Amino acid sequence: QQQVKQSPQSLIVQKGGISIINCAYENTAFDYFPWYQQFPGKGPALLIAIRPDVSEKKEGRFTISFNKSAKQFSLHIMDSQPGDSATYFCAAHTGGGNKLTFGTGTQLKVEL
Amino acid sequence: GAVVSQHPSRVICKSGTSVKIECRSLDFQATTMFWYRQFPKKSLMLMATSNEGSKATYEQGVEKDKFLINHASLTLSTLTVTSAHPEDSSFYICSARDPVRNYGYTFGSGTRLTVV
Repeated sequence: QQQVKQSPQSLIVQKGGISIINCAYENTAFDYFPWYQQFPGKGPALLIAIRPDVSEKKEGRFTISFNKSAKQFSLHIMDSQPGDSATYFCAAHTGGGNKLTFGTGTQLKVEL
Repeated sequence: GAVVSQHPSRVICKSGTSVKIECRSLDFQATTMFWYRQFPKKSLMLMATSNEGSKATYEQGVEKDKFLINHASLTLSTLTVTSAHPEDSSFYICSARDPVRNYGYTFGSGTRLTVV
């Protein structure tokens, strides 16, 4: 019940295209859903996050869509750029447990 | 913004020796810090949660005698890998939570440990 399922495992997108990464969860106690971007040899950096009382959040080229009834959320990267090539992790926060549960990661490659 | 410094970024040690990794919150006081382990092309696996001034809480399957965690101050947590073996080679990442900011989790830049 603590799992966060993430797909796809890897993704290749053309420059200027839209990258979409999906996550699903079971635990209704999760109260915060961040997305992290990680470059090789570096720690994850917070990209954007959403709370379950909001259906969509947009920050620049990055948008989170959240479907509470389906227990799913997704990251959309508009106008994808080669510099966006990285591994992306969704995560879910357990309020009472003070803990982040990570998805399995998506390796994104944006080609010219 | 919140900054977490992790040191060293890379370390090579011999089998049987111990190595210490430091995690510092630079501009905030972190009552809670977390240590993760990450294998190549895999997700982050939480190893333990440390609270300042108290014993760390280890996740199931993590050997607390091998991975010693100390959180002696509000800005410093250390992970010591004792009697290191080649299978301990991995990428270790710390995270600190800023209690003032809602959901304020910030990650360090990671430490690549290689045991030879």
